[in-house]
Amino acid sequence: GAVVSQHPSRVICKSGTSVKIECRSLDFQATTMFWYRQFPKQSLMLMATSNEGSKATYEQGVEKDKFLINHASLTLSTLTVTSAHPEDSSFYICSARDPGLAGGSDTQYFGPGTRLTVL
Amino acid sequence: RKEVEQDPGPFNVPEGATVAFNCTYSNSASQSFFWYRQDCRKEPKLLMSVYSSGNEDGRFTAQLNRASQYISLLIRDSKLSDSATYLCVVNKGSYIPTFGRGTSLIVHP
Repeated sequence: GAVVSQHPSRVICKSGTSVKIECRSLDFQATTMFWYRQFPKQSLMLMATSNEGSKATYEQGVEKDKFLINHASLTLSTLTVTSAHPEDSSFYICSARDPGLAGGSDTQYFGPGTRLTVL
Repeated sequence: RKEVEQDPGPFNVPEGATVAFNCTYSNSASQSFFWYRQDCRKEPKLLMSVYSSGNEDGRFTAQLNRASQYISLLIRDSKLSDSATYLCVVNKGSYIPTFGRGTSLIVHP
């Protein structure tokens, strides 16, 4: 199946620093990528939809100036958590949409996630 | 009403049991449906797509009922390794995925 990588897998940082997370689709071109966060024992919450070559679409309540998303190519999207604070500590997961063959069912493939801890 | 609803469980079943989960969705325009499996502290992994005619993959059977707006997942002959959270995913026309909060399954010896 399709593979999506995410880097780093784990990061610990001090409050006030910025953290950049990369999401790559390794064997398909992803025009659309999604960024989620998940708190312990909670469901995945969609933060934003990232479209290659255009601005990301943020979900209600997600600060676009705090969570900067760049989708510079068909295989790479980045999420930068700016001026991170302890309440930003969470599991951040990206996914990439594989449109599949014409007439087929498109599916999402997830990266392995990034566990962010802000001290 | 939430867009996608699942019973969080947990469902506690013995090895070998058959267990079924349902997932209801509110948007009748939803176009594609999936079941994902998520292990603790790991990313979700695609288990299977759900087709209108129903589909089976080994011990797993998925069905879609558009009239009642729900999808189901049936697991036969449960294994210990089936213990996980099962996430229902519904895509609307713009392919924006909506996740259910997941159903926790615990298979015990």
